[in-house]
Order: sequence, then C-alpha cells, then structure tokens
Amino acid sequence: KNQVEQSPQSLIILEGKNCTLQCNYTVSPFSNLRWYKQDTGRGPVSLTIMTFSENTKSNGRYTATLDADTKQSSLHITASQLSDSASYICVVSANYGGSQGNLIFGKGTKLSVKP
Amino acid sequence: DGGITQSPKYLFRKEGQNVTLSCEQNLNHDAMYWYRQDPGQGLRLIYYSQIVNDFQKGDIAEGYSVSREKKESFPLTVTSAQKNPTAFYLCASSRGTGGKYNEQFFGPGTRLTVL
Repeated sequence: KNQVEQSPQSLIILEGKNCTLQCNYTVSPFSNLRWYKQDTGRGPVSLTIMTFSENTKSNGRYTATLDADTKQSSLHITASQLSDSASYICVVSANYGGSQGNLIFGKGTKLSVKP
Repeated sequence: DGGITQSPKYLFRKEGQNVTLSCEQNLNHDAMYWYRQDPGQGLRLIYYSQIVNDFQKGDIAEGYSVSREKKESFPLTVTSAQKNPTAFYLCASSRGTGGKYNEQFFGPGTRLTVL
C-alpha cells in the first residue's frame, strides 16, 4: 500500500535554531517528492520538488534531501524564524502515467517556533 | 495577478442544505482538484478534473458533486448526503497530470461549518 509517514507529528523549537523534519514513503513506482508549507488556515505552498535522480535541493533556508534507495526524505530548516511556524507536508507522486489521484500526502509536521 | 482563488473563506450551513464552494484559476491549467482536510489527517482527494467537461471521483467522493464547464472554474457542491461535511476544503490546479507537470498549486481554502 502506498503510504507517506512524517515525523515528528509536532515540534517546538526556539527562534534561530535549526531543525529537521522526516518523511518516509512506500510509494511505487516513484515519480517525485515535494515538500509544502501550510500556514494555519491557508492553502499549502510548494517549497521544493525532487525527482529520483536528485538528492538535495535548497530554497533559501530550506534544504530538502532525498534518498531513493531507503525511500526517505528530510527537510532541514536553518536559523528558524517565527514565520516558519506552520505545517510541513510531504507529498509523493506515483508514476502511473496520466492518471491523477496518484499523489500521496503525509499528515504533516506541525512546527512551532518560539521567541 | 495569476493564481487560484476560492470563495467564500468561511461558510456556515444548516444541516440538510446543499452548499457550493467556488474555485477559479487563471493559470491556464488543465487539471483541477478538490481536497478535504481534517485536523490531524492528510489531504484527501474528493474529485479531480483533467480537462473541461470531464471529472473523476477521488477517494471520498460520496456526498459531493462537481462540474467543469469552463477551464477556469471547478465548483464543488457539498450535498445533504455528506454525513460529516464540517472541514477545510482546498482547491488546487496543475498544468497537467504527468511527471513534473503534476505540481499542484493550492487556493487559500474554504472553511465549512455545519450548524
């Protein structure tokens, strides 16, 4: 069964600290993996997208890694800011070719950055 | 200003009433989607449409209906048959449905509360 598991479920850190969020998946055949940021009461916004051949991608203070062999991804946030407080969702796309309904969403990690 | 819009942001409905949520995009995307988000759960696909005048059921279509008469618009009707309609509803669109073209852009969401 295609699944995406994220950990931790929630995380509290102090402003300025770094943190790493985890995503493990069992999706096959794999197409790509995305990380989204979702502020409370808003729609998700894409942070990064990685295909099978990419093992790291950065977007400002956000760095995502992908290990396609172990089917694991991580999102590292550097020098956290209060505005990083949000839910971070890992989404894996299965490569069924043309059929939609092939995106598998994780439940998200809720990050709170405290001053 | 390109993007995807949803209205209204908040919606209240009495039990037994149908209600329609609006979703409009000016990104010239072919594919559009409706998701439901409940606390502590990942996004769940309700319906999706790959092209005008065509749509497919997602994982939780019961109690919902959609139409796709125009490329820009994909309204969702929550019917009285939906047993637990109180949730946050997200609309998304993508250029296509295969590979890198299935990156989805989300609207700001509509929070529906049934009284």
